[in-house]
Amino acid sequence: DVKVTQSSRYLVKRTGEKVFLECVQDMDHENMFWYRQDPGLGLRLIYFSYDVKMKEKGDIPEGYSVSREKKERFSLILESASTNQTSMYLCASSERAGLLYFGPGTRLLVL
Amino acid sequence: AQRVTQPEKLLSVFKGAPVELKCNYSYSGSPELFWYVQYSRQRLQLLLRHISRESIKGFTADLNKGETSFHLKKPFAQEEDSAMYYCALRTGGGNKLTFGTGTQLKVEL
Repeated sequence: DVKVTQSSRYLVKRTGEKVFLECVQDMDHENMFWYRQDPGLGLRLIYFSYDVKMKEKGDIPEGYSVSREKKERFSLILESASTNQTSMYLCASSERAGLLYFGPGTRLLVL
Repeated sequence: AQRVTQPEKLLSVFKGAPVELKCNYSYSGSPELFWYVQYSRQRLQLLLRHISRESIKGFTADLNKGETSFHLKKPFAQEEDSAMYYCALRTGGGNKLTFGTGTQLKVEL
């Protein structure tokens, strides 16, 4: 069975902290994605990666960076967390274009 | 730039009534459209894709290029259909999807 896991379900951080969100997939997929999900705004793509050490900006990359050192792991980094980054963060992976497998999400609260 | 519009934030229907969740897109090329669904306390998952032309859980969706629409339909709503539905667009042969803002479907008894 396909599996995408995220390191935390809930996270509370303070403004200015550096935050790491981890995502691991066990399907040997080339492509991995980070979205944020906000009520009324839907899902917005932050960054994606189509291979190890490769990354591309999505629609809202400002304030975020990513790391893909191994094929199965894709990390999202908030260099200096701000309150407007309070959100649900969803990781996904895919082998075939358009067919995404999502993780359970990390709900991040920045105080 | 590509865009997906879901005009309804919330759609409330009675059990047994027909359901239509609207989705319009803007893209000048050849699009590929998807519907994703998120049930309460579950992760987001694929419901159907237009190229498959299949019915999943009684839902169908037809791509109308003239109206740039991909509405999701079901003739008789069930309580278990209550969920958040997202329409998504893939463009230019790329790997990323552009999602709409979502429609919360509530099926009332």
